[in-house]
Amino acid sequence: NAGVTQTPKFQVLKTGQSMTLQCAQDMNHNSMYWYRQDPGMGLRLIYYSASEGTTDKGEVPNGYNVSRLNKREFSLRLESAAPSQTSVYFCASSEEGGQPQHFGDGTRLSIL
Amino acid sequence: AQSVTQPDIHITVSEGASLELRCNYSYGATPYLFWYVQSPGQGLQLLLKYFSGDTLVQGIKGFEAEFKRSQSSFNLRKPSVHWSDAAEYFCAVVRGTGGFKTIFGAGTRLFVKA
Repeated sequence: NAGVTQTPKFQVLKTGQSMTLQCAQDMNHNSMYWYRQDPGMGLRLIYYSASEGTTDKGEVPNGYNVSRLNKREFSLRLESAAPSQTSVYFCASSEEGGQPQHFGDGTRLSIL
Repeated sequence: AQSVTQPDIHITVSEGASLELRCNYSYGATPYLFWYVQSPGQGLQLLLKYFSGDTLVQGIKGFEAEFKRSQSSFNLRKPSVHWSDAAEYFCAVVRGTGGFKTIFGAGTRLFVKA
């Protein structure tokens, strides 16, 4: 009963390094999302994918790129990491668009 | 612009006592409203949702929420809190016309004392 799986769980980067966060879901969901969570700010949408082959910007897309590799997988890439991107990142999925139903356990990313 | 306000950053209740977490939203049309719970080190879990119809909705884990259009509120309640309910709770709103812009509140952390 995996649900939404994120890797890695923790990562420390230096400013300017690049990294890809991986996300996979096994529920055959059409829609997938990437959020970041910062203290006192709730969750903010970075990018989403309504269906396989489509991606769109959310509320805070700057500094990130995404790839919907197939129906199961949705990756988030930081091309040149900045300290402001230190956060907890969550991937989520849902059968249809609108609101996320299932979340992964998060990736805790620190950028020095 | 849409917004969601959770006025209480944290709340402490005694085990067995009742709970109410407040949520106010700002949105012109009929919103879709949600409550999520996040246990430490984990992702969010959907507790309940309101789309339309009966303004009192039941969710998982014994939670319920009431939509009050006149007050722009969607408060979460539980009659008797258990120690395992200690977590952070998030209210969220999605445009009634669909779309992917779920707006989350900043969260309320619930502490449960024995």
